Amino acid sequence: DGGITQSPKYLFRKEGQNVTLSCEQNLNHDAMYWYRQDPGQGLRLIYYSQIVNDFQKGDIAEGYSVSREKKESFPLTVTSAQKNPTAFYLCASSLGTANQPQHFGDGTRLSIL
Amino acid sequence: GNSVTQMEGPVTLSEEAFLTINCTYTATGYPSLFWYVQYPGEGLQLLLKATKADDKGSNKGFEATYRKETTSFHLEKGSVQVSDSAVYFCAQHGSGNTGKLIFGQGTTLQVKP
Repeated sequence: DGGITQSPKYLFRKEGQNVTLSCEQNLNHDAMYWYRQDPGQGLRLIYYSQIVNDFQKGDIAEGYSVSREKKESFPLTVTSAQKNPTAFYLCASSLGTANQPQHFGDGTRLSIL
Repeated sequence: GNSVTQMEGPVTLSEEAFLTINCTYTATGYPSLFWYVQYPGEGLQLLLKATKADDKGSNKGFEATYRKETTSFHLEKGSVQVSDSAVYFCAQHGSGNTGKLIFGQGTTLQVKP
């Protein structure tokens, strides 16, 4: 079955440590997105990529980095510069054109030790 | 700028009650509109969509009609079940051709037996 796989489901970070969240899709979608969700709040866009080897900052990119070396993969690194990283992170993909919905993974919950 | 506003929750209903979750949007032009559902600990699932004025999206007993006169896309269901308890997000397609979505803040629905 086609879909989006995020791993790990739970992740713990120590102070001063970088961690990388994985996102893989086999939907042959061109566009991929990373969102942050805090308790009781909506989704905020961190980064998005419309094509391989290209990506743009979203609304809250500070303290995060991404890469898009393959169409299927869009990993997100939460750096030590992100002072409040505890959140639920969601990855999504779409065909990248108007009127197309986004398809979401099951998320990664990141916590600070 | 473009935005989406949803009614605040939580919305608490008894089983078999009628559901309405209000959603209004501001936009230039006529963006596609979406409803997503998020069950606890999971990602978002597309519930329904409408791509132009007067379109009605429907799925699993839920319906929403694209009303350009009132810039609204209210979600309705005639008879809710306990299994419908979740967070519901209204979204619109952003400007340009990036595939970006603009989400409302989400509305929590609790259905009691």
